Amino acid sequence: IAGITQAPTSQILAAGRRMTLRCTQDMRHNAMYWYRQDLGLGLRLIHYSNTAGTTGKGEVPDGYSVSRANTDDFPLTLASAVPSQTSVYFCASRNASGGANEQFFGPGTRLTVL
Amino acid sequence: GQNIDQPTEMTATEGAIVQINCTYQTSGFNGLFWYQQHAGEAPTFLSYNVLDGLEEKGRFSSFLSRSKGYSYLLLKELQMKDSASYLCAVTDSNYQLIWGAGTKLIIKP
Repeated sequence: IAGITQAPTSQILAAGRRMTLRCTQDMRHNAMYWYRQDLGLGLRLIHYSNTAGTTGKGEVPDGYSVSRANTDDFPLTLASAVPSQTSVYFCASRNASGGANEQFFGPGTRLTVL
Repeated sequence: GQNIDQPTEMTATEGAIVQINCTYQTSGFNGLFWYQQHAGEAPTFLSYNVLDGLEEKGRFSSFLSRSKGYSYLLLKELQMKDSASYLCAVTDSNYQLIWGAGTKLIIKP
């Protein structure tokens, strides 16, 4: 692995189904983030984690949950998907120990909820 | 509330210069980032400003005025591959990034 990876690349999901989007980084970054990107709205923060074992809510957390059991992995779960969760989801990580360093992004997951 | 404003779309000619503006109102300020995002791809880091002034990096430069809540990204010698969206983002007092909606830059031959 080099950098940050996400799986799946894309997914079509029936409303009401449970779905977990996976995110893994090998840069030993302590902070990780989940965003959704919708046309005309820019990136919106769903959840974040400043370090393994801790998580926090972002701007649009409802309907989503996360966990951070270790440094490398930060899965995002949709407990019961709804059509409004159709979006492109990006995972990002950052070395937060030295100030406001840049975030590195995964390639994204394109999710369609029908 | 927190707000980042940038133009929705701009058009420029190959070989020319273009300036993309960003104004912000946030709770605290710990730096401003510019990212480039090609269609269907992830954002990639371009520049970071935390002090007033101009930061130059090759064909790209970024300027910041904290007193005015204003930044711009300057792209010189435009190439067709510069066609992309350019995202302005500000780090607030909690070190969270507040993102603008992005400026789609269209380069014409």
